[in-house]
Amino acid sequence: DIVMTQSPDSLAVSLGERATINCKSSQSLLYSSNNENYLAWYQQKPGQPPKLLLYWASTRESGVPDRFSGSGSGTDFTLTINTLQAEDVAVYYCQQYYSIPLTFGGGTKVVIK
Amino acid sequence: QVHLVESGGGVVQPGRSLRLSCVASGFTFNSYDMHWVRQAPGKGLEWVAFISYDGIDKYYVESVKGRFTISRDNSKSALYLQMNSLRAEDSAVYYCAKKKSVDCFDYWGQGTLVTVSS
Repeated sequence: DIVMTQSPDSLAVSLGERATINCKSSQSLLYSSNNENYLAWYQQKPGQPPKLLLYWASTRESGVPDRFSGSGSGTDFTLTINTLQAEDVAVYYCQQYYSIPLTFGGGTKVVIK
Repeated sequence: QVHLVESGGGVVQPGRSLRLSCVASGFTFNSYDMHWVRQAPGKGLEWVAFISYDGIDKYYVESVKGRFTISRDNSKSALYLQMNSLRAEDSAVYYCAKKKSVDCFDYWGQGTLVTVSS
C-alpha cells in the first residue's frame, strides 16, 4: 500500500498570508505513460463532506478559487493557499489514486492566527 | 445538480450486520464508477470500496474484505454497502462518493453514521 504522509498536522496562518501544506508518498505517483501525478487534494470543513480541490497534483477542480494551487512530482507534493481567507479554515487531505487501495494523508488543519 | 444521499446507518452490536444505501441524482448513474469512503469520529479519511459502473469490478480495503460487499442497482440509481460481522473499528461516517474520470472523488454525500457498540 502507498502511505501518504502530510505535514504539518496543523498550521496557523494570518488572514491574507500564505499557507503551505506538504504531502509525501511512500512511492512515486508519477505514471510514466502519461507523465501525470496521480494525486488529489481535498478540503473538509467541520460537519461537511470533503470537497475536491485539485487533481493531477495541480489541476483545479471547476469552481475552485485560483488562490489554491498544487505543485510537486514523484513523491513530494505541496498545496498552497495564497492570501488565506476566513472561509479556508478547514482540514486538508491529499489522496493518491495511483493504485488500489486508494489512500489518504492524515490531514492538515488550517486555522487563523 | 449532483446529489448523493446516504441512509441506513445506526447503532449496531459487534458481530451484527447493516446495509447502507446511497441514492444518486443529477447525473447518469450507470455511467460512473462509485466508491465508499469512511471517517471515524475525529479521524481522517479511509477508502473502503469501489464498484465499476456496470457492477462487474469491485475492490475493497484489506480490513473489510470478506465482511463488506459493495453493490449497485443502476435501475434505481442506488449504491449499497452490505456490512457483516461488524467491529468497533468499523464505527465511522460512511460517505458514498462519485468517481471523477480518474480515481478521485468529485461528489460526496453528506454521510451516514455507523456506530458499532454493545
